[in-house]
Amino acid sequence: YVLTQPPSVSVAPGQTARITCGGNNIGSKSVHWYQQKPGQAPVVVVYDDSDRPSGIPERFSGSNSGNAATLTISRVEAGDEADYYCQVWDSSSDHRVFGGGTKLTVL
Amino acid sequence: QITLKESGPTLVKPTQTLTLTCTFSGFSLSTSGVGVGWIRQPPGKALEWVALIYWNEDKRYSPSLKSRLTITKDPSKNQVVLTMTNMDPVDTGTYYCALDQATPGSYWFHPWGQGTLVTVSS
Repeated sequence: YVLTQPPSVSVAPGQTARITCGGNNIGSKSVHWYQQKPGQAPVVVVYDDSDRPSGIPERFSGSNSGNAATLTISRVEAGDEADYYCQVWDSSSDHRVFGGGTKLTVL
Repeated sequence: QITLKESGPTLVKPTQTLTLTCTFSGFSLSTSGVGVGWIRQPPGKALEWVALIYWNEDKRYSPSLKSRLTITKDPSKNQVVLTMTNMDPVDTGTYYCALDQATPGSYWFHPWGQGTLVTVSS
């Protein structure tokens, strides 16, 4: 199963960033999103399409339908600049799959 | 508090076997439903899922690496060990271990260890 992400997204501070994750009928799967800042391990920011772990700001939200899932970051801050990865569970093989990652640049 | 930490050699030669250890605390790999996974990341590149082991000894491997991998666990030591044979420079990268979280219909990783950088070079 292949997940496709745009290599980069740029947004001005205070604006809304949308990062997509494409996959065949991905709407039938649960999508998880990780944030990775330089030199750090990834941290989950959204799981199961739209749930947030404790400690993650409400500015981070997710949606999933059809062939694309979207991570939305509202009121973007300089500290949101990072690489973002989507991930799903492939139930047919019981494998975990990551997308290619998207670099979010805050202008 | 759940923590995981990777350890192993920082430098291996081509064709050698890599052995990495994930030492964890705050959970038990003897508990039903628990799993620990390995994920790697070449410098400047994307995350790649490598392997996973469940509490019941079931194992899953990345199809592209399966022939070279073995994952084992030692619950008494709170450790998971990953071995990768025939190492190549393209295997250079940071290797992470992480707790496999289960929610109805899916699995995801949280939390992650800090990662360990492995360089393959002669």
